[in-house]
Amino acid sequence: KNQVEQSPQSLIILEGKNCTLQCNYTVSPFSNLRWYKQDTGRGPVSLTIMTFSENTKSNRRYTATLDADTKQSSLHITASQLSDSASYICVVSDNKAAGNKLTFGGGTRVLVKP
Amino acid sequence: DTGVSQDPRHKITKRGQNVTFRCDPISEHNRLYWYRQTLGQGPEFLTYFQNEAQLEKSRLLSDRFSAERPKGSFSTLEIQRTEQGDSAMYLCASSLNPTGSGEKLFFGSGTQLSVL
Repeated sequence: KNQVEQSPQSLIILEGKNCTLQCNYTVSPFSNLRWYKQDTGRGPVSLTIMTFSENTKSNRRYTATLDADTKQSSLHITASQLSDSASYICVVSDNKAAGNKLTFGGGTRVLVKP
Repeated sequence: DTGVSQDPRHKITKRGQNVTFRCDPISEHNRLYWYRQTLGQGPEFLTYFQNEAQLEKSRLLSDRFSAERPKGSFSTLEIQRTEQGDSAMYLCASSLNPTGSGEKLFFGSGTQLSVL
């Protein structure tokens, strides 16, 4: 069964600090991996999409890495801001035409404190 | 606003009542998806449309659930005889046909359903 596991479940960091979120997956065959940010009461917003051949991708202060051999990904948040408080969801696709083939992780809830 | 819009944002209903949600996708997007999300979990796929055709339904979509996209634009999701277990956030997403790096989904803000 395809699975995506995220850790930690939640974390609290001080404004200005960095943090790293982890994602392990057992989705096969692998097509792409996405990170989404979801604010409370809102829909997810895409941060990055990475295919098998990409091992790092940045979007402003967010940097995602992918190790397709170990089936692990991380999302690094640099110089956190209060607006980074949200859930971060790792999503893996087993098919390019993917919306119905996505396996979602349970998310990591990040709280940035002043 | 040119994003995906969902209506209503919140719905409170009594067990046994019927509810209907609406989703307006980004106008040129031909694919539309419905997901359900419970607290602390990631979204779960329910069903999707390519234009007006409903191409797949998850086993999560019991016979009390029905979705339509009559003209290939907006979509509705109806839940009949609601149960307390239906309480969740119902998310709609739309996309164009996939590119080489995969399909990019744009999500609406969701409809939060509470069944009392």
